[in-house]
Amino acid sequence: DAKTTQPPSMDCAEGRAANLPCNHSTISGNEYVYWYRQIHSQGPQYIIHGLKNNETNEMASLIITEDRKSSTLILPHATLRDTAVYYCIVRSSEPDAGGTSYGKLTFGQGTILTVHP
Amino acid sequence: SAVISQKPSRDICQRGTSLTIQCQVDSQVTMMFWYRQQPGQSLTLIATANQGSEATYESGFVIDKFPISRPNLTFSTLTVSNMSPEDSSIYLCSVTRDRGETQYFGPGTRLLVL
Repeated sequence: DAKTTQPPSMDCAEGRAANLPCNHSTISGNEYVYWYRQIHSQGPQYIIHGLKNNETNEMASLIITEDRKSSTLILPHATLRDTAVYYCIVRSSEPDAGGTSYGKLTFGQGTILTVHP
Repeated sequence: SAVISQKPSRDICQRGTSLTIQCQVDSQVTMMFWYRQQPGQSLTLIATANQGSEATYESGFVIDKFPISRPNLTFSTLTVSNMSPEDSSIYLCSVTRDRGETQYFGPGTRLLVL
């Protein structure tokens, strides 16, 4: 699976939009971009995923560049409860030659987002 | 999504002992995974729990240390054997309903080994 690069930390004011960037320059055609977050002492929570089109759900929006080499997760109105570690993960949707990476998530270090009053 | 529960939620254990962690899902799932998160670190995949066959372990993890069972499509256990303080971590169960589908995580089991 392709690797991702995220800033180690970001700050955001409560009520403002939080824009979290992610670089995945080696992404291949069958790989999706997934976003999870982990609030302190809890299991990771799925946020959103996409292949090449922009996606939106009740939690966030995902903007993927046309060349698919980077993406941005947008929390439109951040609250204090959005303070968490956000993980951008590239995940294959098809079996590889050895069948060993199919379906697995490989976590990087993520971005620590701090939302302040 | 899937509702996933883990038991115990936390435990404090003595070195040299073993602990078995249970993962229960509210519906049948195709794939179940076990992750470890050491203090201050990101998640690392330990193994994929296969129903009806041996688990598939990632590099650096072995069956003797982390035996895994998966007797059916809704339940799995991970045992941390012969524990040392370095095994102090959060252990997380994760599932997907089908290959390629979104992966969901349980609340984790916090283990402290003294």
